Amino acid sequence: DTAVSQTPKYLVTQMGNDKSIKCEQNLGHDTMYWYKQDSKKFLKIMFSYNNKELIINETVPNRFSPKSPDKAHLNLHINSLELGDSAVYFCASSQVASGRTYEQYFGPGTRLTVT
Amino acid sequence: LAKTTQPISMDSYEGQEVNITCSHNNIATNDYITWYQQFPSQGPRFIIQGYKTKVTNEVASLFIPADRKSSTLSLPRVSLSDTAVYYCLVGDDGGATNKLIFGTGTLLAVQP
Repeated sequence: DTAVSQTPKYLVTQMGNDKSIKCEQNLGHDTMYWYKQDSKKFLKIMFSYNNKELIINETVPNRFSPKSPDKAHLNLHINSLELGDSAVYFCASSQVASGRTYEQYFGPGTRLTVT
Repeated sequence: LAKTTQPISMDSYEGQEVNITCSHNNIATNDYITWYQQFPSQGPRFIIQGYKTKVTNEVASLFIPADRKSSTLSLPRVSLSDTAVYYCLVGDDGGATNKLIFGTGTLLAVQP
């Protein structure tokens, strides 16, 4: 069984479109994340979310919005796509207890290409 | 806000021990240090996590000096399959997303 899954694996779209990436985890974790990995392989956290709170990295444009229908899912919606949004997006999950983040489990990534 | 620095790349040969160091001068009291491994076209995978001194598991060791301003991931007897990018992550989430800072990554190339 895949612990953290993402769909689609590849996404090619045009500027100005709106798209979504889905993420599901079957680990029973309370916290899920979205990361962006650019062409230089830098990993940057975008959001963290648990069943209580959404934490947004202040550098993320408000065109990006996470939506969690339930504890096991955290989807990423992107409006008005721009060329600079092209990257690989990773979903992850972990247990957070007593203010400490335990090991994160990452999904396989979604390669987004905006043309 | 902890900023992490790693060497861009390292070369090694099969069977050697490899040590990758991460600098995190501004590490906070509550921050943990975690290392991840990433293969091409895959998500990062957890290797080891520690707070201070030494931590060892079945695949690696993590050395953290007393001042905690750096950490060293030690991979014993590497093989070709250990060729990957290694990231250190410093932070303590506790709900504060911007406190999770990944290093720039170190590309380890293992040769036969």
